[in-house]
Order: sequence, then C-alpha cells, then structure tokens
Amino acid sequence: AQKITQTQPGMFVQEKEAVTLDCTYDTSDQSYGLFWYKQPSSGEMIFLIYQGSYDEQNATEGRYSLNFQKARKSANLVISASQLGDSAMYFCAMRRGGWLTFGEGTQLTVNP
Amino acid sequence: EAQVTQNPRYLITVTGKKLTVTCSQNMNHEYMSWYRQDPGLGLRQIYYSMNVEVTDKGDVPEGYKVSRKEKRNFPLILESPSPNQTSLYFCASSPQVLSYEQYFGPGTRLTVT
Repeated sequence: AQKITQTQPGMFVQEKEAVTLDCTYDTSDQSYGLFWYKQPSSGEMIFLIYQGSYDEQNATEGRYSLNFQKARKSANLVISASQLGDSAMYFCAMRRGGWLTFGEGTQLTVNP
Repeated sequence: EAQVTQNPRYLITVTGKKLTVTCSQNMNHEYMSWYRQDPGLGLRQIYYSMNVEVTDKGDVPEGYKVSRKEKRNFPLILESPSPNQTSLYFCASSPQVLSYEQYFGPGTRLTVT
C-alpha cells in the first residue's frame, strides 16, 4: 500500500519569504507520480506541480518548485517569495496507475 | 469552457434514502475519479474509471457505487447512506490515467442525518 505523510499540520511564513512544505511517501513501486495541490478557503482544488519518479530534474512552475529526493522518498514543495494569496491548505499526493493517495495536508498562513 | 460539474453542490438527506451525485466533464477525458474529503484525513479515493465501462475501487469504496456508461458522466451512487458518509465529495477527470493534469469539480457537501 502506498502512503503519503505530511508532518506539518500548520505552517506560518512572512510575506515575501520562502517556505518549504514537507512530504514523504512510501511505495515499493518504481513508477509513480507525485503531485501538489492547493485548496484555498473557497474549497476548490488547484493543481500546482507534478514530478514523475523517473524525472531527473526537479519540477518547477513559476514560484513553485518540487525538491525531489528519491532515495529519501521525499517530495517537498518550495514556495518562493510567498504572497498573501498563498494562504491555503496544501496537499501532497502520489499516483500509482489509477490510484491517487493524498496526504493529510498542511495549512499555510502567510503573514503580512 | 472546459470544466467538471457536480450536482447537487449541497445535499442534506436522511439515513437510508438512496441518492446520486452526478459528475460530468466536457473535455473528452478518459479518466475520472471520486474522492471524499474529511477533516484531518485529506482526500481519499472512492472509485476511479479509466474509460467507459472500466471502473475500479479506490481506498474507501464501501457503501458507494459508480457507473461509467458514457465518457462524460461518472455518477456516484449511495444506495443506503449512513451518517459516516457525511463528507465533502470531489469528482475529477484527466485526459488519461497517466496524465499529470487533473481537473477537479467544485465539490458536493453531503450531510446524512
């Protein structure tokens, strides 16, 4: 069975600073995908970034980057230059075939 | 506009009264999936479908049924709802099972009393 662990229930960051949200995963598969989603207070799920298990480069999308350390089974999300609009719940997820497993989420608060 | 729609958005019902939550996408996606979201548990996959007439169980399928008779629709059926199925439900779709883009519907908040 695959499992995603997000050990930070809540994180606080000052506006314009960088923040890292932790995610570790457990799988015995060689082929899998890792995702990060954002859920603002309005409730919708917003896709942020994706990393395939065979991708050698860390994924980046604008201010978001994924620090992928395969041997340590970690896929941390780095948000650079935090903005007030980044305040939200963030979920890490892992896909194996049609199954998608989510972590419990990290509530990020950006302070002005 | 490309989108995933769910109906109803809010529903309060009583134990045992059969209900269906509809999900429809207009992007010709092959893969569709249902999740439930509960506080402290994140999202958990209920069922998914890789194409018409192809469905499989996720992590929490008990008490739910699905069908995929048409590519665009993937309804979630609760034959005999119970209070522990009170939750926020999301439908999602993606072009194929291995696509990294996944489009989520707006969510359906279900309360079973």
